[in-house]
Amino acid sequence: AQKVTQAQTEISVVEKEDVTLDCVYETRDTTYYLFWYKQPPSGELVFLIRRNSFDEQNEISGRYSWNFQKSTSSFNFTITASQVVDSAVYFCALSEAEETSGSRLTFGEGTQLTVNP
Amino acid sequence: DTGVSQDPRHKITKRGQNVTFRCDPISEHNRLYWYRQTLGQGPEFLTYFQNEAQLEKSRLLSNRFSAERPKGSFSTLEIQRTEQGDSAMYLCASSWTSFAGYTFGSGTRLTVV
Repeated sequence: AQKVTQAQTEISVVEKEDVTLDCVYETRDTTYYLFWYKQPPSGELVFLIRRNSFDEQNEISGRYSWNFQKSTSSFNFTITASQVVDSAVYFCALSEAEETSGSRLTFGEGTQLTVNP
Repeated sequence: DTGVSQDPRHKITKRGQNVTFRCDPISEHNRLYWYRQTLGQGPEFLTYFQNEAQLEKSRLLSNRFSAERPKGSFSTLEIQRTEQGDSAMYLCASSWTSFAGYTFGSGTRLTVV
């Protein structure tokens, strides 16, 4: 069965600090996708990134970067020079092959990030 | 394209009443998902449609829950004889392919009193 663990329940930083959100996953499939979503106080889940299991290249998008390591089953998310607007709950999620799980997303429990001015 | 719409945004109901939520996905998306999110937790999968066919249901979806997508467009989620444990955010998402990024709606927050 697939599982996603986000060990950090809450993180609090001061603006301009860098912060890394950890994500560890479990799956028996060789083909899977990993996602990060942001959930601001308004409640809507905002898609940030999708990564397939065959692409371990790290990705950078502005102040956001993602580090995918299959050897440790981790898909960590770093925000550089954090801003108050980054305050939200961040979810890591996993999707296995459709024949395994119907392409459902399995979410971690989320990390509440608070960026203080 | 206005994204995924959910209605209502909030619903307060008395225990034992029936409630129905609606989801309008992005028009070209053939896949539609329902998730439930309780406070402090990540969303949990409830059910999944491809076009009008309901292809998968979670064990979380008790027999008091039913979902439909009659013409492969909008979907409804009905909860009969609501219980306090049903209080949660109900999220709808749609996608074009199985591994595409899902687009979520803003959710319907249900409070059962």
